[in-house]
Amino acid sequence: QVQLQESGPGLVKPSQTLSLTCTVSGGSISSGSYYWSWIRQPAGKGLEWIGRIYTSGSTNYNPSLKSRVTISVDTSNNQFSLKLSSVTAADTAVYYCARADCSDGTCYQFDYWGQGTLVTVSS
Amino acid sequence: DIVMTQSPDSLAVSLGERATINCKSSQSVLYSSNNKNYLAWYQQKPGQPPKLLIYWASTRESEVPDRFSGSGSGTDFTLTISSLQAEDVAVYYCQQYFDPLRTFGQGTKVEIK
Repeated sequence: QVQLQESGPGLVKPSQTLSLTCTVSGGSISSGSYYWSWIRQPAGKGLEWIGRIYTSGSTNYNPSLKSRVTISVDTSNNQFSLKLSSVTAADTAVYYCARADCSDGTCYQFDYWGQGTLVTVSS
Repeated sequence: DIVMTQSPDSLAVSLGERATINCKSSQSVLYSSNNKNYLAWYQQKPGQPPKLLIYWASTRESEVPDRFSGSGSGTDFTLTISSLQAEDVAVYYCQQYFDPLRTFGQGTKVEIK
């Protein structure tokens, strides 16, 4: 059974960089054909897709965040990471990592999610 | 971007009664080459991550109770809970995976009347 677990600082100062890691267990992050995403949810609000990285290492980002986002993968540690620069209070949210299955270049629904981690942007 | 709009924002249903949630996409999420709708439904309970219920608009994820069903095609979709149970109190989201920019509906909160 695949499991995902987010980790990282719960408090980040404005203008600094938010850094989170998602550790995948129960399977290799580089086996199969998947993409690994970050999704966030401000308190009491809906879900916003941030971006993804494929098993191959290629990435796609939400245009609304693209200038500030970097997603990378560390296959040796079975992890992928999110960096979001120049944060403001508007970036305060629960951040989830999630997996989507892919086939023949097309990727589908999010079938596994981490429990989420709350990141607060405040001085 | 494909905008996903759910209705209603919230609904209260008596135990054992039917709950119906609608989701409309700003453009079709039906892929003509395979005749599949790239639409999923998730359930989120307080303090938990979303849980996949339905994909391809109508295929239940394994171990999801059969009181949950999805229907629709193109731009209009429905999630139905045929007989609401206490454990179904949650927020439900639709999500399209047709466009590379994945988008979710705003959520529908289901409560017990």
